[in-house]
Amino acid sequence: SYELTQPPSVSVSPGQTARITCSGDALPKQYAYWYQQKPGQAPVLVIYKDSERPSGIPERFSGSSSGTTVTLTISGVQAEDEADYYCQSADSSGTYPYVVFGGGTKLTVL
Amino acid sequence: EVQLLESGGGLVQPGGSLRLSCAASGFTFSSYAMSWVRQAPGKGLEWVSAISGSGGSTYYADSVKGRFTISRDNSKNTLYLQMNSLRAEDTAVYYCAKDLFLDYGDYSYFDYWGQGTLVTVSS
Repeated sequence: SYELTQPPSVSVSPGQTARITCSGDALPKQYAYWYQQKPGQAPVLVIYKDSERPSGIPERFSGSSSGTTVTLTISGVQAEDEADYYCQSADSSGTYPYVVFGGGTKLTVL
Repeated sequence: EVQLLESGGGLVQPGGSLRLSCAASGFTFSSYAMSWVRQAPGKGLEWVSAISGSGGSTYYADSVKGRFTISRDNSKNTLYLQMNSLRAEDTAVYYCAKDLFLDYGDYSYFDYWGQGTLVTVSS
């Protein structure tokens, strides 16, 4: 089955830049999406179609893609950005598309 | 304002059944595909099932195929998930999520999520 691979954890100090990667063989052909999830809350979409930012999401959140890896970058990290982050894409190799999530990355703001 | 409100979770014995509901408001419900996504305690997100806006097409993860049934009532703006033959590994918070498109596909992603309902399968 198709997998998206994320680092389990990333730590940064306030004001620094956090980069969270997501790797998958199909990412050159499929868009990636990123969700932020804080404890006890539902996920929130922060990046769509690799690098687009939904309205209401701060400009410090950005996304990029290169080959089989997509990256979520948070510039000038703030304490409120501490959360779990999940990438999402799709596996189209089967009978029908299969939404796939990465295992998640816990962002700790030191 | 888009709102998704799940209900129907609870404690059920292995082999039992449960029906989850998701009441939607703030958008034209029938114009969008919907999905159920679950999250086991302390674990990541897992897509479970999707249904097209019309309700005519349904899709399931291999882990629930043959046991779960997704449906929707567009006249009531409500999404459902009928869960049968429940197993301990089905224990999770179940979220309903709104797709960006009418039909589910490899372009699907989710712009709104409910707060989730907890399903616990245990004897």
